[in-house]
Amino acid sequence: EDKVVQSPLSLVVHEGDTVTLNCSYEVTNFRSLLWYKQEKKAPTFLFMLTSSGIEKKSGRLSSILDKKELFSILNITATQTGDSAIYLCAVTSGGGADGLTFGKGTHLIIQP
Amino acid sequence: EAGVAQSPRYKIIEKRQSVAFWCNPISGHATLYWYQQILGQGPKLLIQFQNNGVVDDSQLPKDRFSAERLKGVDSTLKIQPAKLEDSAVYLCASSFYRGTGELFFGEGSRLTVL
Repeated sequence: EDKVVQSPLSLVVHEGDTVTLNCSYEVTNFRSLLWYKQEKKAPTFLFMLTSSGIEKKSGRLSSILDKKELFSILNITATQTGDSAIYLCAVTSGGGADGLTFGKGTHLIIQP
Repeated sequence: EAGVAQSPRYKIIEKRQSVAFWCNPISGHATLYWYQQILGQGPKLLIQFQNNGVVDDSQLPKDRFSAERLKGVDSTLKIQPAKLEDSAVYLCASSFYRGTGELFFGEGSRLTVL
């Protein structure tokens, strides 16, 4: 059974700080790893990392994938209060079914 | 472009009652997913459809949960009879290309079972 473990489960920092969120995984026939941001509503897509794309960056957010050590990190620099959310890590595996297996998420709170 | 639509947004029922949730995916998205998100947990896949066929329902508690997508567009998830542990947010998601992982989620239906 595929498994995704995120750490920390919660994190409180001040505006302007840099944060690093961790995601480790165990998956049979790994295909991709994804990061989602969930505020009070629906999760929204941030990044997808695969064997052919192990580093992604968008503005203040960046993510890397280490396929050898089976983990990924999500970095947020110069944090803002609008970054407060739950950050979900998920993996997909090859095979007939391709639904996402999610971790529990990291609840990030940015204090002004 | 309209997003994934879900209804109702909130539902409170007593245990052993039944409930149904509706989802209309983004137009043209052939793949549709239902996820269950219990408070403090990540979403858990219940069922995946490709058009009107089921791809994966291995985690769907089939003794009480059922889902259909008869015309390959909108979908209904039903729970009968509900248990206390079914209290959760039920998220519907869709994707255009199967296997890309980039799912578009609806705002969810929050179920409270008393």
